[in-house]
Amino acid sequence: AQTVTQSQPEMSVQEAETVTLSCTYDTSENNYYLFWYKQPPSRQMILVIRQEAYKQQNATENRFSVNFQKAAKSFSLKISDSQLGDTAMYFCALSFGKLIFGQGTTLQVKP
Amino acid sequence: EPEVTQTPSHQVTQMGQEVILRCVPISNHLYFYWYRQILGQKVEFLVSFYNNEISEKSEIFDDQFSVERPDGSNFTLKIRSTKLEDSAMYFCASSEWSTGANVLTFGAGSRLTVL
Repeated sequence: AQTVTQSQPEMSVQEAETVTLSCTYDTSENNYYLFWYKQPPSRQMILVIRQEAYKQQNATENRFSVNFQKAAKSFSLKISDSQLGDTAMYFCALSFGKLIFGQGTTLQVKP
Repeated sequence: EPEVTQTPSHQVTQMGQEVILRCVPISNHLYFYWYRQILGQKVEFLVSFYNNEISEKSEIFDDQFSVERPDGSNFTLKIRSTKLEDSAMYFCASSEWSTGANVLTFGAGSRLTVL
């Protein structure tokens, strides 16, 4: 069975600082994709970043980057220069076509 | 930017009533999904749909649930006889492909409250 675990239910960070959200997963597949989605108070799910499992290079999207450790089945999200608009729930997800989500981490960015 | 549209944004219903949640996926997408999020919990897969039939469904998607693409644009989720535990946010999503690489585009969700 495929599972995704986010062990940090809540985190907070000061504006302009850096924060890392953790995610581990389990799968027996070799080819898969990993995603981070953001869910702001509006509740809409917004794609933040995507990582292809066969690529060793960590994905980066502006202030967002991942640390993908395939052997350890770890996929953390780093947010640099945190902004108030980053306040949201963040979901890690494993993809085989459908998405399997983790429990989510609520991130609060404080002014 | 193309988006997935869901209606209604919020529906309140009595236990035992039928509910239909509607979605308009992105026009060139071929794969459609419904997910559910009970308040404060994780987002759970319900069903995927392709070529006018269900391609995969979860244990949650029992006989009370059905999906349909009644015309070329809408994709609906019907709950035949709602239960209190059906109260949740329901998200529709669509994608161009069904491989792991595809990016699902989500709608804003429909909040269902069952009294």
